[in-house]
This record gives sequence, structure tokens and C-alpha cells, in this order.
Amino acid sequence: AQTVTQSQPEMSVQEAETVTLSCTYDTSESNYYLFWYKQPPSRQMILVIRQEAYKQQNATENRFSVNFQKAAKSFSLKISDSQLGDTAMYFCAFRGSGGGADGLTFGKGTHLIIQP
Amino acid sequence: GAVVSQHPSWVICKSGTSVKIECRSLDFQATTMFWYRQFPKQSLMLMATSNEGSKATYEQGVEKDKFLINHASLTLSTLTVTSAHPEDSSFYICSARDLGTVPYEQYFGPGTRLTVT
Repeated sequence: AQTVTQSQPEMSVQEAETVTLSCTYDTSESNYYLFWYKQPPSRQMILVIRQEAYKQQNATENRFSVNFQKAAKSFSLKISDSQLGDTAMYFCAFRGSGGGADGLTFGKGTHLIIQP
Repeated sequence: GAVVSQHPSWVICKSGTSVKIECRSLDFQATTMFWYRQFPKQSLMLMATSNEGSKATYEQGVEKDKFLINHASLTLSTLTVTSAHPEDSSFYICSARDLGTVPYEQYFGPGTRLTVT
């Protein structure tokens, strides 16, 4: 079974700063997908970024980018030019490539607070 | 973008009664849907995988007789919490797999808050 670990329960930065959220995972699979989801107070899960394990290039989506280190099983999220609207819970998640029937395994989450 | 709805958004029921939660994919077909549970200030835990036309697959430790899942069509899965007790109070979230995307995308519903009194 796979596990996902987020070791930062809470982080706080000033608006416009850059912040990095950490995530490590453990799996015996060679191909899989990793995700960062944002959960604002509304509790709607919002996909931030996705990384496919067979792709060496780190995924980027506007101000969001990841540092994917497959050998180290590390998948960190960097948020540049942070905005007040980035305040939310952030969950790192893992999904295997088992034919599409895999649900997500989530980390415990990091509560990110952007201070004005 | 693809939309998944849940109904109701919140429900209060008395201990011992059953409550049904619906998960619908509004603009795509979903042969597979997933049910998650989230306790306050905690992460999401996968409860079960719902497959259209067949029995659901439950994660270890989830009572299948308590959490009945029915996936009767390509756009609807239901979760029925039977004989609910206060410890079943939680936030239940579904997600649906979009067959038309490669690799497949999974879209989340807005969640249902269940309170058992």
C-alpha cells in the first residue's frame, strides 16, 4: 500500500512571497500520478497541479510548480507570488496507474495562511 | 469543465435512521466514482470505489453493510448510511472519473455534511 506524508501541518507567509510545501510518498509502483489539491473553506477540492511519474519534467501551472524527485520519492509544491486567495488546506495525493480504478491516497494536509 | 454535484449539501438525521447521499456527474459519463470521508481538520480517506453495474469495492475497515453504495447509471452513484450513529457524522465527498480524458481526470463533488444526533 502507498503512503503520503506531509510534515508541515501549518505554514504562514506574507503576501507576494514564495512558499514551498513538502510531500513525500512511498510506493512500490513504477508508474503513478501525484497531485496537489487545494481545499478552501468551502471544502470544494480543487486540483492545483498534476505530475505523471514517467515524465521527468516538473509540472508547472502559472504560479504553481512542483519539484518531483522520483528516486527520493519527494513531490514538493512551490507557490510563487503568493496571494491572499491561496489561503487554504493543501493536500498531496497519490494515485496508482491500475487501470483507472484507483482512488486517491491523501496526505494529512498543510494549512497555508497568506498574511496581508 | 466537468461538474460533479452532490445532494444534499448537508443533512441532519436522528441516530438509528438511514440517510442517502447522491453523487451525479452532470456533463460526462462516469463508470467509476469514488467515495471519501473527511473528519474535521483531517484528510480525506477513501471509503469505496463505486462501479456502474457492479458491486462496489470497499477499503479495508469500511463496513459495507453500513455504507451501502449503488451505482445504477453512468451518471449517478448513491451512498446510504444505514442505522446512522453520531460517530458517522462527517463530511462525505464523492469524485467521478471522466472516461473522455487521458489520463483520466477525477472531479470532486462539493461534499455532504452529515450530522447524526
